[in-house]
Amino acid sequence: QVQLQESGPGLVKPSQTLSLTCTVSGGSISSGSYYWSWIRQPAGKGLEWIGRIYTSGSTNYNPSLKSRVTISVDTSKNQFSLKLSSVTAADTAVYYCARGLRYFDWWDYWGQGTLVTVSS
Amino acid sequence: QSVLTQPPSVSGAPGQRVTISCTGSSSNIGAGYDVHWYQQLPGTAPKLLIYGNSNRPSGVPDRFSGSKSGTSASLAITGLQAEDEADYYCQSYDSSLSSYVFGTGTKVTVL
Repeated sequence: QVQLQESGPGLVKPSQTLSLTCTVSGGSISSGSYYWSWIRQPAGKGLEWIGRIYTSGSTNYNPSLKSRVTISVDTSKNQFSLKLSSVTAADTAVYYCARGLRYFDWWDYWGQGTLVTVSS
Repeated sequence: QSVLTQPPSVSGAPGQRVTISCTGSSSNIGAGYDVHWYQQLPGTAPKLLIYGNSNRPSGVPDRFSGSKSGTSASLAITGLQAEDEADYYCQSYDSSLSSYVFGTGTKVTVL
């Protein structure tokens, strides 16, 4: 059973960079059958796709966040990461990592989510 | 950025049937992109409920069904149970935004 687990600081100061890591267990992140995504959800609000990465390193980002987002993968650690720069209070949300099936556009496994608060 | 519109809430008594609509446009559902549905129980991560408009992942009860027509999609829950109380989100791709998009979300209440 594949499991995903997010980790990282729960509090980030405005204008700084938010950094999160997703550790994948129960399967290899190197499998070419999948891609790996980040999705966020502000408290009491809906879901927003942030971006995705294939193990080849190819990425796609939400155009509304593209200028601030970087997603990377570390196959040796079975992890992928999110960096979101110049954060504001609007970036406060629960951040989820999730697995997608290559050539398809849904996510079948999700992490439990981690709350990141942007505040001074 | 919610370009997929859902009713904020629906409710029903145990055993009843409820439906949740997901209304899009010609740049997403109407363009032929598939619709997927997620169930989010309180305090938990979303769970894939329906993929490819009408397919259920292994383990999802057949009480849940999905359909798509034109620029809209629907999720139906038959034989409503207390454990179905959750938020439900539709999801698709939008070619104008060049992004995956989610619906506004619907809270299902079992009376």
